Amino acid sequence: AQSVTQLGSHVSVSEGALVLLRCNYSSSVPPYLFWYVQYPNQGLQLLLKYTTGATLVKGINGFEAEFKKSETSFHLTKPSAHMSDAAEYFCAVSADGGATNKLIFGTGTLLAVQP
Amino acid sequence: DGGITQSPKYLFRKEGQNVTLSCEQNLNHDAMYWYRQDPGQGLRLIYYSQIVNDFQKGDIAEGYSVSREKKESFPLTVTSAQKNPTAFYLCASSILLLSSGELFFGEGSRLTVL
Repeated sequence: AQSVTQLGSHVSVSEGALVLLRCNYSSSVPPYLFWYVQYPNQGLQLLLKYTTGATLVKGINGFEAEFKKSETSFHLTKPSAHMSDAAEYFCAVSADGGATNKLIFGTGTLLAVQP
Repeated sequence: DGGITQSPKYLFRKEGQNVTLSCEQNLNHDAMYWYRQDPGQGLRLIYYSQIVNDFQKGDIAEGYSVSREKKESFPLTVTSAQKNPTAFYLCASSILLLSSGELFFGEGSRLTVL
């Protein structure tokens, strides 16, 4: 069965510092992987996704993630944090390789950005 | 603008009452989904539907019911049988054919049981 583990429920960085949010997955089929962002009391917005092809994926707002099959990881990074990046971030894996688009979500990482 | 509309945004309910959360999409997407979000638990799938008049249970369907009479609508009823209904509910949709698996989310409905 597919699953996602996000290491660190809370991460705090200083403005301008590197952002690194960790995600490890388990999948019995080639995975589709996603990062979503959620601002308070709002829905989720897609940051980036990996399906096939290039393993380094660039998304919106300067975020990127690298698919590493050997490490079963899909960590999210941003070179320089901005105050507006403070939000909750969710990693997700497709439950069945994209057949039904059901997603399995991690428990989320709350990112705080200190001035 | 195309998108997913959930209503109401906030809802209060007394114990023992059924409530229905509305979800409408004008994206012409085939599939629709309901997720429940609780602090520290991420999102868990309640029900999903890939086609009109058909739907499947997700991981936590007990105490919930849905219908899919129209492609654009997928209402969720939280019944009195749901033991702990206070949560944030998110509706999502996606295309299926040639899809990359992406879900599009509504703004959510927060249900509080008094």
